[in-house]
Amino acid sequence: GQNIDQPTEMTATEGAIVQINCTYQTSGFNGLFWYQQHAGEAPTFLSYNVLDGLEEKGRFSSFLSRSKGYSYLLLKELQMKDSASYLCAVRDRRSTDSWGKLQFGAGTQVVVTP
Amino acid sequence: GAGVSQSPSNKVTEKGKDVELRCDPISGHTALYWYRQRLGQGLEFLIYFQGNSAPDKSGLPSDRFSAERTGESVSTLTIQRTQQEDSAVYLCASSYYAGGANVLTFGAGSRLTVL
Repeated sequence: GQNIDQPTEMTATEGAIVQINCTYQTSGFNGLFWYQQHAGEAPTFLSYNVLDGLEEKGRFSSFLSRSKGYSYLLLKELQMKDSASYLCAVRDRRSTDSWGKLQFGAGTQVVVTP
Repeated sequence: GAGVSQSPSNKVTEKGKDVELRCDPISGHTALYWYRQRLGQGLEFLIYFQGNSAPDKSGLPSDRFSAERTGESVSTLTIQRTQQEDSAVYLCASSYYAGGANVLTFGAGSRLTVL
């Protein structure tokens, strides 16, 4: 099995930077994903890390350390539309399964204030 | 199709009734996933399919829940003898294997309310 932990809520002001941490424990790590979910909508893909290091994509960056079981999502130049839940998800591959299921954390609600 | 389609979008049922939720994945996507999301909570994994087989059914909450997929396309999630705690949004997602990130594309969900 696996545990995925992330903070419940974070608040930041427009234009600021917010870092959402995610720690995980898994028996067969095969990739970490970040998804964004606005209230009442389906999750949408933001980023993917499978090797250690930083992946940058516009205002969003994601970092992974496999040895520490740790990732973060960095949101820069926050905009009001960034108010949403951010979900950390880990792909867990069992020996009998070449892909692995994607297990989600409970999500971090980010509130952007003017 | 262009996206993942789920039906019905909303379902209200009485406790003890059976319900079927349908998912049409993106054409060509070989993997299909079912998740449950209760109000204000995260996504709870239920089951996933690779083609028509289900390598991992570990998330199904009880034997009242079952799912099948035919023709590497449509999937149906069936909940028998529904209980009030089954009330949630049931999300379906599909992906194709590209040798790296298998990005899931989600449908809009089926909101189930058990009275």
